[in-house]
Amino acid sequence: GESVGLHLPTLSVQEGDNSIINCAYSNSASDYFIWYKQESGKGPQFIIDIRSNMDKRQGQRVTVLLNKTVKHLSLQIAATQPGDSAVYFCAETGGGNKLTFGTGTQLKVEL
Amino acid sequence: NAGVMQNPRHLVRRRGQEARLRCSPMKGHSHVYWYRQLPEEGLKFMVYLQKENIIDESGMPKERFSAEFPKEGPSILRIQQVVRGDSAAYFCASSPRTSGQYEQYFGPGTRLTVT
Repeated sequence: GESVGLHLPTLSVQEGDNSIINCAYSNSASDYFIWYKQESGKGPQFIIDIRSNMDKRQGQRVTVLLNKTVKHLSLQIAATQPGDSAVYFCAETGGGNKLTFGTGTQLKVEL
Repeated sequence: NAGVMQNPRHLVRRRGQEARLRCSPMKGHSHVYWYRQLPEEGLKFMVYLQKENIIDESGMPKERFSAEFPKEGPSILRIQQVVRGDSAAYFCASSPRTSGQYEQYFGPGTRLTVT
């Protein structure tokens, strides 16, 4: 079936460096993509979203890039901070409101 | 504006008992979604409901699981005759269903442990 998956299960970065988390999706009908942050013991927290008619979207310290040709999504975090340590999930909708989540990437920020 | 509320936060049940998980959506949101998360995995969609209607239950197991979202009160996810494999975190999300908006806001989850 259609799925969303991540390339790297764990990413370690130094505080202050930029982080890049990648995601591949297989559903060519996907039209909306979201990045969520999940801290231990908590629910997913919305970070940023992007629609399929866009290639790039920027938020505060975060940028999402969408490459529909290769079905690839990335989340860039500028000047990574210890508070950014969490598991990051990409999710997509291919019609309707049902979200399909990837397996997650653990981001570890080293001091 | 309070966020999505779930209770209980932790629930322990013995095999064969029933589990009831509650979700109150954000104020003004009439669309509720339930997801299940196993340890170190992503969230898996279970069911999507509007008030008094099940819209999409394609992710619900065929047996023992049911969900409702009554006209008044919270949404309920009910698991009958729980088994150890039901142990997981169950998350509820809500959305306002404004045209063009798909963002879902998640609650803190209920962690179910079946002993």
